[in-house]
Amino acid sequence: QVQLQESGPGLVKPSETLSLTCTVSGGSMSNYYWSWVRQPPGKGLEWIGYIYADGYTNYSPSLESRVVMSIDTSKNQFSLKLTSVTAADTALYYCARPKSCTNISCWGLDYWGQGILVTVSS
Amino acid sequence: IQMSQSPSSVSASVGDRVTITCRASQGIRSWLSWYLQKPGKAPQLLIYAASSLESGVPLRFSGAGSGTDFTLTISSLQPEDFGTYYCQQGSTFPFTFGPGTKVDI
Repeated sequence: QVQLQESGPGLVKPSETLSLTCTVSGGSMSNYYWSWVRQPPGKGLEWIGYIYADGYTNYSPSLESRVVMSIDTSKNQFSLKLTSVTAADTALYYCARPKSCTNISCWGLDYWGQGILVTVSS
Repeated sequence: IQMSQSPSSVSASVGDRVTITCRASQGIRSWLSWYLQKPGKAPQLLIYAASSLESGVPLRFSGAGSGTDFTLTISSLQPEDFGTYYCQQGSTFPFTFGPGTKVDI
């Protein structure tokens, strides 16, 4: 059974960088597009982007200038960095895995972490 | 691609048939998934490829549609089905979610 677990600071100051790591257990990282999704308190879901096992990335255009994802398959981990954060970046951040993807399309997210609340505040 | 859902909320009784509609702003073929999110929990995948039931999901859930118009139907609502339902398109990145439909029992 694949399990995902987010880790990182729960509080980040405005203008600083949000850094999160997702640790994957119970399965291989190969051949999957590992994703980050966020949800502001009381609001809907936003797919931030994904990273493939070989390091290929695709980021949402609304966040592309501030997002960097990386992957370390030897540690079974992938990471998210979001720079220059503001209060609008306060959200529950989930790491997740789509069932499968072609080169441009993906089926649904079948495995999710429990989520980590990141608050941007001084 | 913008996703819309209707209704935004629904109150129903145990045993009721409930249908939620999702519409995409452009054609997405069958790249449509449905999720249920309960308070304080991560979303749970119910349906993928518009009509394929995810493993372990009860048979009372079904999905239909292709192109721009899709439906999720719960044939006989159960107490554990309360929560917010989201549709999501996986056709073209950035993949986008609908605004959600809150189901109260």
